[in-house]
Amino acid sequence: EVQLVESGGGLVQPGGSLRLSCSASGFSFSTYAMHWVRQAPGRGLEYVSAISGDGGGTYYADSVKGRFTISRDNSKKTLYLQMSSLRPEDTAFYYCVSPADSSGWELDYWGQGTLVTVSS
Amino acid sequence: QSVLTQPPSASGTPGQRVTISCSGSSSNIGPNTVNWYQQFPGTAPKLLIHSNSQRPSGVPDRFSGSKSGTSASLAISGLQSGDEADYYCASWDDSLSGWVFGGGTKLTVL
Repeated sequence: EVQLVESGGGLVQPGGSLRLSCSASGFSFSTYAMHWVRQAPGRGLEYVSAISGDGGGTYYADSVKGRFTISRDNSKKTLYLQMSSLRPEDTAFYYCVSPADSSGWELDYWGQGTLVTVSS
Repeated sequence: QSVLTQPPSASGTPGQRVTISCSGSSSNIGPNTVNWYQQFPGTAPKLLIHSNSQRPSGVPDRFSGSKSGTSASLAISGLQSGDEADYYCASWDDSLSGWVFGGGTKLTVL
């Protein structure tokens, strides 16, 4: 069974930094692309970032480009999102998402999410 | 402002059939498939329909999806109170090289 467990969320001041983690199990993590999707409280879904299985390819939404860095440690089956220069509009639940197929880039399995609050 | 357009709300009575629309463009829904997600309050989204019309294991056949041109639809037949949730459509966008979502539709069972 695929399990994705996010951690690292919390309250941070504007301009601050935070690193999210996503621990994966139940599939061959190193062969799967992984994604981060966020949802501001009471709002819709926004695609944030993605990384290929070997870490060689990455994607960032324009809203986070230059401020967020996605990475992964395949030996630990863990996905990361390093967030810096945080803004109040980055306040959201951040979901770790994986495809069902190792050859795909789909958004199939979702973690429970971790809440990031950017406020002074 | 979401790239894909959904009605903000939909409603129906138990047993009815309701449909939720999702409108896109030639850079997303037109050339690519559509997924639908169901989200209950306080929980993560769950994949409901993938590849326009395919149901993952465990999803009742009361839920069905279709696509035509640059639009897609989710249909729920035999509506139940437990179907009250937010529903989101999603598709890959070739221009943005990323996934795009609809703004979500809140389904109310009257």
